[in-house]
Amino acid sequence: ILNVEQSPQSLHVQEGDSTNFTCSFPSSNFYALHWYRWETAKSPEALFVMTLNGDEKKKGRISATLNTKEGYSYLYIKGSQPEDSATYLCASLTSGTYKYIFGTGTRLKVLA
Amino acid sequence: SQTIHQWPATLVQPVGSPLSLECTVEGTSNPNLYWYRQAAGRGLQLLFYSVGIGQISSEVPQNLSASRPQDRQFILSSKKLLLSDSGFYLCAWSEGPAMEQYFGPGTRLTVT
Repeated sequence: ILNVEQSPQSLHVQEGDSTNFTCSFPSSNFYALHWYRWETAKSPEALFVMTLNGDEKKKGRISATLNTKEGYSYLYIKGSQPEDSATYLCASLTSGTYKYIFGTGTRLKVLA
Repeated sequence: SQTIHQWPATLVQPVGSPLSLECTVEGTSNPNLYWYRQAAGRGLQLLFYSVGIGQISSEVPQNLSASRPQDRQFILSSKKLLLSDSGFYLCAWSEGPAMEQYFGPGTRLTVT
Protein backbone atom coordinates (compact mmCIF):
# COMPACT_ATOMS: atom_id res chain seq x y z
CA ILE A 1 0.00 0.00 0.00
CA LEU A 2 1.45 3.34 -1.03
CA ASN A 3 -1.40 5.56 0.06
CA VAL A 4 -3.61 5.84 3.09
CA GLU A 5 -6.98 4.29 2.43
CA GLN A 6 -10.07 4.44 4.58
CA SER A 7 -13.20 2.34 4.45
CA PRO A 8 -16.07 2.60 4.27
CA GLN A 9 -16.31 5.96 2.53
CA SER A 10 -19.58 6.71 4.32
CA LEU A 11 -21.75 5.05 6.89
CA HIS A 12 -25.23 5.56 8.31
CA VAL A 13 -26.01 3.93 11.64
CA GLN A 14 -28.84 4.13 14.13
CA GLU A 15 -28.36 5.78 17.50
CA GLY A 16 -27.04 3.20 19.95
CA ASP A 17 -25.34 1.05 17.30
CA SER A 18 -21.66 0.32 17.58
CA THR A 19 -19.54 0.78 14.50
CA ASN A 20 -15.98 0.62 13.27
CA PHE A 21 -13.89 1.96 10.40
CA THR A 22 -10.62 0.90 8.85
CA CYS A 23 -7.50 2.84 7.96
CA SER A 24 -4.84 1.12 5.82
CA PHE A 25 -1.42 2.69 5.55
CA PRO A 26 2.10 1.88 4.29
CA SER A 27 3.70 -0.40 6.88
CA SER A 28 7.30 0.18 5.79
CA ASN A 29 9.16 2.92 7.71
CA PHE A 30 6.08 3.57 9.82
CA TYR A 31 6.42 6.25 12.47
CA ALA A 32 2.98 7.36 13.64
CA LEU A 33 -0.73 7.23 12.88
CA HIS A 34 -3.20 9.93 13.79
CA TRP A 35 -6.99 9.83 13.95
CA TYR A 36 -8.99 13.06 13.64
CA ARG A 37 -12.67 13.90 13.83
CA TRP A 38 -13.90 16.59 11.47
CA GLU A 39 -17.35 17.96 12.17
CA THR A 40 -19.13 20.12 9.64
CA ALA A 41 -18.22 23.80 9.91
CA LYS A 42 -15.43 23.04 12.38
CA SER A 43 -11.73 22.24 12.17
CA PRO A 44 -10.35 18.69 12.38
CA GLU A 45 -9.78 17.69 15.99
CA ALA A 46 -7.25 15.11 17.08
CA LEU A 47 -8.59 11.90 18.63
CA PHE A 48 -5.54 9.67 18.91
CA VAL A 49 -1.83 9.58 18.15
CA MET A 50 -0.57 6.02 17.89
CA THR A 51 3.00 4.88 17.43
CA LEU A 52 3.48 1.35 18.76
CA ASN A 53 2.37 -1.92 17.22
CA GLY A 54 -0.49 -3.26 19.30
CA ASP A 55 -1.36 0.18 20.66
CA GLU A 56 -4.91 0.51 21.92
CA LYS A 57 -6.24 3.91 22.88
CA LYS A 58 -9.58 4.96 24.28
CA LYS A 59 -11.40 8.24 24.75
CA GLY A 60 -14.89 7.82 26.14
CA ARG A 61 -16.90 5.65 23.74
CA ILE A 62 -14.26 5.84 21.02
CA SER A 63 -11.26 3.53 20.83
CA ALA A 64 -8.60 2.65 18.30
CA THR A 65 -6.15 -0.16 17.65
CA LEU A 66 -2.96 -0.24 15.62
CA ASN A 67 -1.20 -2.98 13.67
CA THR A 68 2.00 -1.57 12.20
CA LYS A 69 3.23 -4.87 10.77
CA GLU A 70 0.26 -5.27 8.46
CA GLY A 71 -0.48 -1.57 8.13
CA TYR A 72 -3.96 -1.02 9.49
CA SER A 73 -5.80 0.72 12.28
CA TYR A 74 -9.39 0.33 13.43
CA LEU A 75 -11.51 3.04 15.01
CA TYR A 76 -14.44 1.84 17.10
CA ILE A 77 -17.41 3.83 18.35
CA LYS A 78 -19.55 2.14 20.97
CA GLY A 79 -23.18 3.17 21.32
CA SER A 80 -23.13 5.82 18.56
CA GLN A 81 -24.83 9.13 19.31
CA PRO A 82 -25.99 11.82 16.86
CA GLU A 83 -23.14 14.06 18.07
CA ASP A 84 -20.68 11.45 16.75
CA SER A 85 -21.73 12.39 13.23
CA ALA A 86 -18.61 13.65 11.50
CA THR A 87 -15.89 12.68 9.05
CA TYR A 88 -13.18 10.58 10.65
CA LEU A 89 -9.73 11.00 9.14
CA CYS A 90 -6.57 9.02 9.62
CA ALA A 91 -3.09 10.23 8.72
CA SER A 92 0.13 8.26 8.45
CA LEU A 93 3.62 9.59 9.10
CA THR A 94 6.70 7.87 7.73
CA SER A 95 9.92 7.94 9.74
CA GLY A 96 12.43 10.56 8.68
CA THR A 97 9.81 12.83 7.16
CA TYR A 98 7.31 15.44 8.27
CA LYS A 99 4.93 14.44 5.51
CA TYR A 100 1.56 13.36 6.82
CA ILE A 101 -0.54 11.43 4.31
CA PHE A 102 -4.23 11.68 5.00
CA GLY A 103 -6.92 9.28 3.93
CA THR A 104 -10.09 10.64 2.36
CA GLY A 105 -12.05 9.88 5.51
CA THR A 106 -15.11 7.95 6.60
CA ARG A 107 -18.25 10.07 6.77
CA LEU A 108 -20.42 8.88 9.66
CA LYS A 109 -24.05 9.85 10.09
CA VAL A 110 -25.79 8.69 13.26
CA LEU A 111 -29.56 8.72 12.93
CA ALA A 112 -31.64 9.52 16.00
CA SER B 1 -3.61 28.10 25.98
CA GLN B 2 -2.71 27.87 22.33
CA THR B 3 -4.80 29.43 19.60
CA ILE B 4 -4.48 29.32 15.83
CA HIS B 5 -5.90 32.05 13.62
CA GLN B 6 -6.43 31.90 9.91
CA TRP B 7 -7.83 34.50 7.54
CA PRO B 8 -9.73 35.28 5.51
CA ALA B 9 -12.51 32.74 6.06
CA THR B 10 -13.70 32.90 2.47
CA LEU B 11 -12.22 34.33 -0.67
CA VAL B 12 -13.34 34.58 -4.29
CA GLN B 13 -10.57 35.50 -6.70
CA PRO B 14 -10.33 35.63 -10.49
CA VAL B 15 -7.90 33.44 -12.40
CA GLY B 16 -4.51 35.10 -12.65
CA SER B 17 -4.87 37.19 -9.51
CA PRO B 18 -2.46 36.95 -6.56
CA LEU B 19 -3.18 35.20 -3.28
CA SER B 20 -2.10 35.68 0.29
CA LEU B 21 -3.47 33.58 3.15
CA GLU B 22 -2.18 34.14 6.65
CA CYS B 23 -1.96 31.89 9.67
CA THR B 24 -0.76 32.82 13.14
CA VAL B 25 -0.36 30.76 16.27
CA GLU B 26 -0.49 32.06 19.82
CA GLY B 27 0.62 30.52 23.08
CA THR B 28 3.50 28.38 21.87
CA SER B 29 6.98 28.86 20.49
CA ASN B 30 8.84 27.21 17.62
CA PRO B 31 5.85 25.20 16.42
CA ASN B 32 5.91 22.99 13.36
CA LEU B 33 3.56 24.64 10.87
CA TYR B 34 1.64 23.10 7.99
CA TRP B 35 -0.51 24.18 5.05
CA TYR B 36 -3.07 21.68 3.72
CA ARG B 37 -5.59 21.86 0.90
CA GLN B 38 -8.76 19.88 0.43
CA ALA B 39 -10.00 20.01 -3.14
CA ALA B 40 -13.57 19.01 -3.90
CA GLY B 41 -14.05 15.28 -3.33
CA ARG B 42 -10.45 14.77 -2.24
CA GLY B 43 -8.62 14.20 1.03
CA LEU B 44 -6.37 16.63 2.85
CA GLN B 45 -3.18 17.20 0.88
CA LEU B 46 -0.06 18.53 2.58
CA LEU B 47 1.25 21.52 0.62
CA PHE B 48 4.03 22.94 2.81
CA TYR B 49 5.52 22.44 6.22
CA SER B 50 7.99 24.44 8.28
CA VAL B 51 10.09 23.48 11.29
CA GLY B 52 11.49 26.96 11.86
CA ILE B 53 11.71 30.55 10.63
CA GLY B 54 12.68 30.64 6.99
CA GLN B 55 12.60 26.84 6.70
CA ILE B 56 9.96 25.74 4.23
CA SER B 57 9.52 22.35 2.61
CA SER B 58 7.24 21.92 -0.37
CA GLU B 59 5.44 18.66 -0.95
CA VAL B 60 3.62 19.35 -4.18
CA PRO B 61 5.06 21.24 -7.18
CA GLN B 62 2.61 23.99 -8.07
CA ASN B 63 2.20 27.70 -8.40
CA LEU B 64 1.87 28.20 -4.65
CA SER B 65 4.59 29.24 -2.23
CA ALA B 66 4.86 29.60 1.52
CA SER B 67 6.87 31.77 3.84
CA ARG B 68 7.49 31.94 7.57
CA PRO B 69 8.66 35.45 8.34
CA GLN B 70 8.17 35.06 12.08
CA ASP B 71 8.18 32.12 14.47
CA ARG B 72 4.41 31.86 14.68
CA GLN B 73 3.36 33.24 11.31
CA PHE B 74 2.88 31.15 8.18
CA ILE B 75 1.81 32.65 4.86
CA LEU B 76 0.57 30.91 1.73
CA SER B 77 0.93 32.86 -1.50
CA SER B 78 0.50 32.71 -5.22
CA LYS B 79 1.44 35.19 -7.92
CA LYS B 80 -1.21 33.94 -10.34
CA LEU B 81 -4.09 31.75 -9.27
CA LEU B 82 -5.35 28.86 -11.39
CA LEU B 83 -8.84 27.39 -11.41
CA SER B 84 -7.36 24.23 -9.88
CA ASP B 85 -6.28 26.22 -6.82
CA SER B 86 -9.88 26.32 -5.62
CA GLY B 87 -10.40 24.43 -2.39
CA PHE B 88 -10.43 24.57 1.36
CA TYR B 89 -7.10 25.59 2.87
CA LEU B 90 -6.19 24.61 6.39
CA CYS B 91 -3.25 25.75 8.49
CA ALA B 92 -2.10 23.55 11.35
CA TRP B 93 0.57 23.45 14.01
CA SER B 94 2.14 20.80 16.20
CA GLU B 95 4.79 20.68 18.88
CA GLY B 96 6.75 18.03 17.03
CA PRO B 97 6.69 15.89 13.91
CA ALA B 98 4.70 12.97 15.33
CA MET B 99 2.52 14.94 17.70
CA GLU B 100 -1.11 15.78 17.18
CA GLN B 101 -1.86 18.68 14.90
CA TYR B 102 -4.13 21.58 15.78
CA PHE B 103 -5.99 23.03 12.84
CA GLY B 104 -7.14 26.55 12.12
CA PRO B 105 -10.69 27.41 10.99
CA GLY B 106 -9.74 27.24 7.30
CA THR B 107 -10.16 29.42 4.22
CA ARG B 108 -12.59 28.54 1.45
CA LEU B 109 -10.98 29.76 -1.80
CA THR B 110 -12.95 29.89 -5.03
CA VAL B 111 -11.07 30.82 -8.17
CA THR B 112 -13.40 32.01 -10.93
